[in-house]
Amino acid sequence: DQQVKQNSPSLSVQEGRISILNCDYTNSMFDYFLWYKKYPAEGPTFLISISSIKDKNEDGRFTVFLNKSAKHLSLHIVPSQPGDSAVYFCAAPDSNYQLIWGAGTKLIIKP
Amino acid sequence: EAGVTQFPSHSVIEKGQTVTLRCDPISGHDNLYWYRRVMGKEIKFLLHFVKESKQDESGMPNNRFLAERTGGTYSTLKVQPAELEDSGVYFCASSQTLQETQYFGPGTRLLVL
Repeated sequence: DQQVKQNSPSLSVQEGRISILNCDYTNSMFDYFLWYKKYPAEGPTFLISISSIKDKNEDGRFTVFLNKSAKHLSLHIVPSQPGDSAVYFCAAPDSNYQLIWGAGTKLIIKP
Repeated sequence: EAGVTQFPSHSVIEKGQTVTLRCDPISGHDNLYWYRRVMGKEIKFLLHFVKESKQDESGMPNNRFLAERTGGTYSTLKVQPAELEDSGVYFCASSQTLQETQYFGPGTRLLVL
């Protein structure tokens, strides 16, 4: 039973445009959500988080939106840059603070 | 401040052999986690240490996996004997408190032939 789902294995976006990465979850008890970014041969790097009591959190070019009724969150990157090409993971800590991960979305920014 | 480090970066072994992975967390981080990503699938939790104590090892696949954190500093994860399905990337993460962000190491890529 996958509690965190990222249904798009990959996404290709033109440089300068907006990248939208989606994530769905099934567990309504999650307190907050995190996005991690991963380059090849490196570990995941924390990018941005959002508490379940908020519907939006913004940090520079990165904004995460949370729709609790739909159990859906999205990460917006605008404008997209070549260095944003990476795999993006959505994750949420369970009641023991273990991270439950989505399968990841590979973002490719085209020049 | 040094980040989480893991050794080795890669390991290729034959089925039936033993491999030991090492993780050095960020200094001062009491919480240490092991995760695994198999065949490009989602990253899955293996176990969690608080200092030298195993807080939760519910994600450990079977008794071929043994994790230790003697002295509450670095941790080792031993796989003995290794099987083909153990291939994957093993990540270690650490955090200062339970609620704080987990910082990840670069991972150890294990290939069992």
